[in-house]
Amino acid sequence: DTGVSQNPRHKITKRGQNVTFRCDPISEHNRLYWYRQTLGQGPEFLTYFQNEAQLEKSRLLSDRFSAERPKGSFSTLEIQRTEQGDSAMYLCASSLAATLYNEQFFGPGTRLTVL
Amino acid sequence: AQTVTQSQPEMSVQEAETVTLSCTYDTSESDYYLFWYKQPPSRQMILVIRQEAYKQQNATENRFSVNFQKAAKSFSLKISDSQLGDAAMYFCAYSNSGGSNYKLTFGKGTLLTVNP
Repeated sequence: DTGVSQNPRHKITKRGQNVTFRCDPISEHNRLYWYRQTLGQGPEFLTYFQNEAQLEKSRLLSDRFSAERPKGSFSTLEIQRTEQGDSAMYLCASSLAATLYNEQFFGPGTRLTVL
Repeated sequence: AQTVTQSQPEMSVQEAETVTLSCTYDTSESDYYLFWYKQPPSRQMILVIRQEAYKQQNATENRFSVNFQKAAKSFSLKISDSQLGDAAMYFCAYSNSGGSNYKLTFGKGTLLTVNP
């Protein structure tokens, strides 16, 4: 296992379509985070899982967004009825609980473009 | 809510020289973690250095060191002997050290250019 992976790396979609992104964390990591990064900004927290439980969602995460982490392994982030404002880089990170600093390891991101 | 401010959108440095990137933050917590992450162009974010707030000694990782001033809520990154590979976007980030969610709060970043 070489790190956090995300698929697809790029997604272009038309406004109103649904999209789904996948994140595969480092295998022993039980914490998983989703962030969104728009151009010229730092990443912003979207949601957090510990094992399969979604423990916190940001107010940035509208009802059109849903995330899952079945069986505490990979995670998916779905955006329904995409809007142009959803265009961004979606980053996934994972960490191991009970480690000092809870160091988060990031994936390469999925860049979403909504036309 | 915690906030992180990076006041330098862009910085440049000559190869082999030293550069300091600034970061300030706001929190009401007494213990927390601070991080500097590096994001090279089209590549994933990697951790450069980290600091726990209750540790007074400044963290050092090879050519990277921090100047942590808790009272001033300041956390600057010094890069010594800059190399071309240091060119990247640098993000300062904050995390709580307690509770169940260690989400990161990031600044807007500083784009570092290294000139040969």
